[in-house]
Amino acid sequence: ETGVTQSPTHLIKTRGQQVTLRCSSQSGHNTVSWYQQALGQGPQFIFQYYREEENGRGNFPPRFSGLQFPNYSSELNVNALELDDSALYLCASSYNRGRGNEQYFGPGTRLTVT
Amino acid sequence: GQNIDQPTEMTATEGAIVQINCTYQTSGFNGLFWYQQHAGEAPTFLSYNVLDGLEEKGRFSSFLSRSKGYSYLLLKELQMKDSASYLCAVRDLDTDKLIFGTGTRLQVFP
Repeated sequence: ETGVTQSPTHLIKTRGQQVTLRCSSQSGHNTVSWYQQALGQGPQFIFQYYREEENGRGNFPPRFSGLQFPNYSSELNVNALELDDSALYLCASSYNRGRGNEQYFGPGTRLTVT
Repeated sequence: GQNIDQPTEMTATEGAIVQINCTYQTSGFNGLFWYQQHAGEAPTFLSYNVLDGLEEKGRFSSFLSRSKGYSYLLLKELQMKDSASYLCAVRDLDTDKLIFGTGTRLQVFP
């Protein structure tokens, strides 16, 4: 059973650029949730994808978008990067929108915007 | 509104017991999670409570009182490797999203 994986591990971008982050869910899981964690803060919910459709969104602007593929892997896209987008981006894998007790996080992608 | 409160920092001695409290106010409740997060790493699942009472898992136990909006994580026989941030998160009933507190940074001293 493979765990949750994310790529890349680290990324440095310039303000105004666009970025795509990737997440592969744990085997058997069909739901991926994305979180943003600023330094010293708890993770903040961005959105969740369940069976290739968005299933809930947090308080993030439309320039944060995503999608989920038939194999349940997912991408997070951020357009027009701002300095405040610098954070650790985490994806969490679960089954059936996380209604059980399984909600496992990937290692994260650390994004730095300069 | 939705609000999760937990202490910012705690310190304890190796071998001791520490209790990390979490209080929450949410419009809908569908379970409470505790995660451990070492600096620069992803959160690691520790426990899940959806019914009132105590869940024990080795050195770690978690308690929930839904009527009081209160949970605690109890760590026994503390080890140096337990130095980390401990995140309390509540799952929202309507959206299934996890709402996190800011985390409690625990430092274990020898």
